[in-house]
Amino acid sequence: DQQVKQNSPSLSVQEGRISILNCDYTNSMFDYFLWYKKYPAEGPTFLISISSIKDKNEDGRFTVFLNKSAKHLSLHIVPSQPGDSAVYFCAARVVSGYSTLTFGKGTMLLVSP
Amino acid sequence: EAQVTQNPRYLITVTGKKLTVTCSQNMNHEYMSWYRQDPGLGLRQIYYSMNVEVTDKGDVPEGYKVSRKEKRNFPLILESPSPNQTSLYFCASSLRLSSTDTQYFGPGTRLTVL
Repeated sequence: DQQVKQNSPSLSVQEGRISILNCDYTNSMFDYFLWYKKYPAEGPTFLISISSIKDKNEDGRFTVFLNKSAKHLSLHIVPSQPGDSAVYFCAARVVSGYSTLTFGKGTMLLVSP
Repeated sequence: EAQVTQNPRYLITVTGKKLTVTCSQNMNHEYMSWYRQDPGLGLRQIYYSMNVEVTDKGDVPEGYKVSRKEKRNFPLILESPSPNQTSLYFCASSLRLSSTDTQYFGPGTRLTVL
């Protein structure tokens, strides 16, 4: 059973517009969520995270929103830039008990000039 | 420079020929992990290690072995590789396995088993 779901395999956005990447989870024990970005031929790199005690975390052009009741989080990129074109992975963990990260399948974002 | 290194980056081998993919980190991290990435399946954890001599299975451990004799190294061993182990492999490390510790990933090893 897939506990972290990214239902959109790909997303195309024009430069300057907003990119919204979505992630749903089924495990109600998850209380820490992360987004990683991955360029071709490179390993994933950490982008932004959010704890379940918050509903929003912002870092420059990147904002993550968490809706615990809906078990949904989203990553907003404003404004989108061509250099943002990459695969974005959503990940989640249960903080207590030192559980490991569970990743979604990823969403490929293409930002066109 | 803080980094996670993997070798080799690319490997083509044949079924049954034992191989080892090395992983090394220079950040004195306690936690290390191996993932495989497959199309449509995302990143799946193979094995992880909380510290030296402490390892545990992830979600897809079958056909793999690991060891953690030193803090900086965490090799992935395929004793008898099969074609279904053709994949892109990533090693990762973090200071500890805690909520705010960022995982740093290596550049990946693309393995093809014929």
